[in-house]
Amino acid sequence: KNEVEQSPQNLTAQEGEFITINCSYSVGISALHWLQQHPGGGIVSLFMLSSGKKKHGRLIATINIQEKHSSLHITASHPRDSAVYICAAPVYGGSQGNLIFGKGTKLSVKP
Amino acid sequence: NAGVTQTPKFQVLKTGQSMTLQCAQDMNHNSMYWYRQDPGMGLRLIYYSASEGTTDKGEVPNGYNVSRLNKREFSLRLESAAPSQTSVYFCASDPRGTPGEQYFGPGTRLTVT
Repeated sequence: KNEVEQSPQNLTAQEGEFITINCSYSVGISALHWLQQHPGGGIVSLFMLSSGKKKHGRLIATINIQEKHSSLHITASHPRDSAVYICAAPVYGGSQGNLIFGKGTKLSVKP
Repeated sequence: NAGVTQTPKFQVLKTGQSMTLQCAQDMNHNSMYWYRQDPGMGLRLIYYSASEGTTDKGEVPNGYNVSRLNKREFSLRLESAAPSQTSVYFCASDPRGTPGEQYFGPGTRLTVT
């Protein structure tokens, strides 16, 4: 049972559009992670946030802990933003927590 | 600073063969992880190591063994490969292990025929 759900699964946008990717989780968490997987397969961490909003360049991540929901926004999208975006939530058990990953949202930005 | 490195990048095995996937990090991180990624599924944790000398099972440990050789290296072994183990394998490390921000290796694409 996957406790982290993302929507949409696939997203196609025109260059310049504002993009929103959503993540809902069913477990209590202390922080939520957003990651980006490049077309070549490499995975990089974008954000780790526990409240409010974080911004990095054209990427903005928000989280509402009470509603168990997070969004990743991309402003002025560009073809180089084409990637799979993954959210992940830590689940605690034993001596440390581990991440549960969503299935990812595949974004394609057309020029 | 190479970050997290994995070898090999690609491997094809026959059913029943064994192999070891190597992972090393040069960031002095305490925690290391092995994940597998299958089409249509999220990354799933196979094993993790919270610190040198300790290892624990993740969500999908069956058919795998791991060794935390030292603080830098964390290897994943398939003793008798099965077609169900065809996947992309990622190693990751984390300085804090609570878990914090994870740094991923480039992945190993394994095919078992």
